[in-house]
Amino acid sequence: DIQMTQSPSAMSASVGDRVTITCRASQGINNHLVWFQQKPGKVPERLIYAASSLQSGVPSRFSGSGSGTEFTLTISSLQPEDFATYYCLQHNSYPITFGQGTRLEIK
Amino acid sequence: EVQLVESGGGLVQPGRSLRLSCTTSGFTFGDNGMSWFRQAPGKGLEWVSFIRNKAYGGTANYAASVSGRFIISRDDSKSIAYLQMNSLKTEDTAVYYCSRDGRGSNINYFDSWGQGTLVTVSS
Repeated sequence: DIQMTQSPSAMSASVGDRVTITCRASQGINNHLVWFQQKPGKVPERLIYAASSLQSGVPSRFSGSGSGTEFTLTISSLQPEDFATYYCLQHNSYPITFGQGTRLEIK
Repeated sequence: EVQLVESGGGLVQPGRSLRLSCTTSGFTFGDNGMSWFRQAPGKGLEWVSFIRNKAYGGTANYAASVSGRFIISRDDSKSIAYLQMNSLKTEDTAVYYCSRDGRGSNINYFDSWGQGTLVTVSS
C-alpha cells in the first residue's frame, strides 16, 4: 500500500499568511494526487486534482504542485473561510489512500 | 446540477447487514465509476470501494478492511450505486459518502460528494 505522510498535522496561522501543507508518498504516484478541504460537519470539497489543477470555482489563492513523491498545497493569503482540515489523496494505485489531514486553525 | 444522495444508514448490531444506496442525477452515470468513502467520528477520511463503469468492465476494488464483507454494485438504469455491507463490526461505524469517480475517462473524479449517511454498529 502507498502511505501518504501529510505534514503538519495541525497548524495555527493568521489571516493573510501564506501556508504550505506537504504530502509525501511512500512511492511514486505520478501526478495522481487530489487535495480536499473539509469544514466541521461538512462534506469534503475537491480543491486540486492531478496535483496542480485548480478545481473550477476554487479561489486562485489555492495552488498545488509536485510530482512523484512530494506534493504541496499552498494558500497564498489565508482568508477566514480557509480555516478547515485539509487532506491529500493518492489514486495512483489501490488501495486509494489519504494523508492523515492537516487542521488549520486561527492564530 | 450534479447531485448524489446517500441513504440506508442507521443503527445495526454487530454481525448484521446493511445496504447503502447512492442515488445520482445531473450527470451521465454510466460514463463514470463510483467510489465509497467513510469517516469515523472524529477521524480522517478513508476510501472503501470503487466500481468501474461498464466500459471498463464494471469491476471493483476494496479496502483491505472491508474486503470479503462489503460488495459494491451499480444499476445504470437507475443511476444508483450500492454498498452492501455484511458482517458489520463496531469499527465500521462512520459516515459513508459516495462520490463520482470518472478516472480513466474524464476529470470528474471525487469532485462531487453526497451529504453522507451515518452507519452506527453497536449492540
